This record gives sequence, C-alpha cells and structure tokens, in this order.
Amino acid sequence: AQRVTQPEKLLSVFKGAPVELKCNYSYSGSPELFWYVQYSRQRLQLLLRHISRESIKGFTADLNKGETSFHLKKPFAQEEDSAMYYCALAYSSASKIIFGSGTRLSIRP
Amino acid sequence: DVKVTQSSRYLVKRTGEKVFLECVQDMDHENMFWYRQDPGLGLRLIYFSYDVKMKEKGDIPEGYSVSREKKERFSLILESASTNQTSMYLCASSSLSEKLFFGSGTQLSVL
Repeated sequence: AQRVTQPEKLLSVFKGAPVELKCNYSYSGSPELFWYVQYSRQRLQLLLRHISRESIKGFTADLNKGETSFHLKKPFAQEEDSAMYYCALAYSSASKIIFGSGTRLSIRP
Repeated sequence: DVKVTQSSRYLVKRTGEKVFLECVQDMDHENMFWYRQDPGLGLRLIYFSYDVKMKEKGDIPEGYSVSREKKERFSLILESASTNQTSMYLCASSSLSEKLFFGSGTQLSVL
C-alpha cells in the first residue's frame, strides 16, 4: 500500500544551523512528491514539489528513488521557518494525494 | 487567487447527529479532497472526488460519506456523529496533478 513516513514528530535546531526533515515513501509506481508547510494560524500551502526542482525560501528536496526518500533541507535555518511540515505523495491517474504525519520544526534563537 | 471556502470555522454537535461540512472552490478544479488533521497523525484522506458525482474512498472513509453534485462544491457528511470524529477537517482542491489549495479548516467537536 502507498505510504508516507515522517519519522520525526519534532525537530528543534538553533538559528543558523542546517535543517533536514526526513520523508520516506512506499509506492511501486513513479511517485510525485511534495512538501507542504503550515505556519501558525495560516492555511496549509505548497512549499515545493520534486518535479520543479526549485529552491523555495532556501529549502531544497531531492528525490532518491533508490532509498525512496524525499528529505527537505536548508543550510541555514531562520526563525521564520518554524512551522509544521508535511511530506505528500500523489499517485494514480486521478492524482490521489496522501500525507505523512508531519514534523514540527522549531527554530531556537 | 484560488479560493477554497469551508462554510464553518467551528462546529459543535451532539453524538448521533447528522453533520454536513461544505466546501466550495472557485477555480474550476477537477479534484477535491477531504482530510482530517489530528496531532501526531498528520492529514489523513477521507474521500476525494475527481469529477462531478465521482468519488473514491481514502484511507479512513468509515463513518463518512460525500456528495459532489456540482463541480465547485464538495460536501462531507457524518451520518451519525461520534466523539472520535472530533477533529479538524480540511478541504482541498487541485487541477490534475497540480498542487493542492486548502481551505482554512473546520474544527468539529462532537459532544
């Protein structure tokens, strides 16, 4: 069955430190992967998707099909990065989308 | 900007009541989704719809049904509300294979 796993419920790092939020998926087909972010009192919104291979707010994520991973990285954390982050997998021709359990990122000053 | 509007921000219902959660999108999106968001469990897909009158079960459809009579509107129905359905409910829409746009959510409390 398709599944998205985010092993860390909470990640706390100091401002300026590197950040890596882990995401692993299980899907036998060709995956389409996303990172969504929810800032305090705001709606969930797309951060980035693997197809576009872009960097948003300094974050990048590389799809590793061998390890079935799509980890989110940022070299230097900023306080405004504190939020809830969700990894998501789209599959099937009708684009069914499932999410992981989320990681709360807390940046300490 | 895409607007996904959920009719209620907060809702309090009693056990056994029939509950309707409404969602409307204004961008002619084919796909619409209902998720519930619980701490530690993330977003879990309840149902999604890829066209008018078309629906597919998600991971946790038990106790829920949906209706999509018009393209812009997707309703989630709790036939007989129970306390374990107390949760934040999120509606989302997307065009095919594109990003999701979310509503602001409905916090449902079942007493």
